[in-house]
Amino acid sequence: GNSVTQMEGPVTLSEEAFLTINCTYTATGYPSLFWYVQYPGEGLQLLLKATKADDKGSNKGFEATYRKETTSFHLEKGSVQVSDSAVYFCALSETSGTYKYIFGTGTRLKVLA
Amino acid sequence: NAGVTQTPKFRVLKTGQSMTLLCAQDMNHEYMYWYRQDPGMGLRLIHYSVGEGTTAKGEVPDGYNVSRLKKQNFLLGLESAAPSQTSVYFCASRKSPRTGEEKLFFGSGTQLSVL
Repeated sequence: GNSVTQMEGPVTLSEEAFLTINCTYTATGYPSLFWYVQYPGEGLQLLLKATKADDKGSNKGFEATYRKETTSFHLEKGSVQVSDSAVYFCALSETSGTYKYIFGTGTRLKVLA
Repeated sequence: NAGVTQTPKFRVLKTGQSMTLLCAQDMNHEYMYWYRQDPGMGLRLIHYSVGEGTTAKGEVPDGYNVSRLKKQNFLLGLESAAPSQTSVYFCASRKSPRTGEEKLFFGSGTQLSVL
């Protein structure tokens, strides 16, 4: 079945550091890929998405590229801020059948001033 | 626009008690989902619905029931709560895949403790 694997956390960085959170997936067909972010005490919010191979999703300085050859969708940001502290979830959306979402286990990011 | 609203936000139950979690969305979405979030396990799908009057099992459906009598509401029931059901529950909704829109909209969660 389809699955998403993302790096274990927590990840602790100093402000202005470079961020990478790794995500790989296993899927049949051509799923869409997403990063969702969860701030403390809130539900998940869509951060960015990519719908086909080589697409780059971007939002709020975050980027991720859909790499079909490595089945990856790593999240990157060049300079993190304290306000980026949150839990980040990689996910895929099945594009046929039940159209379910499959989420990774989440990676907690803490940014120190 | 309220989006996705979950009630209650917090609840403490004793083992064997029952309760219903309510999810309401005002975006006319076709698809609705119930997830549970546990440390180290991410989000796991409990049940979902692809339209009014329809429900289907997800990854971890045991011990839960759902109903979608109205398009805007998706209810999650625990008939006999167990400590293993202590978790944070999230409801989510989205438009029909026919629209091409894939974004999931989440509620703010219900924190449930079963003693």
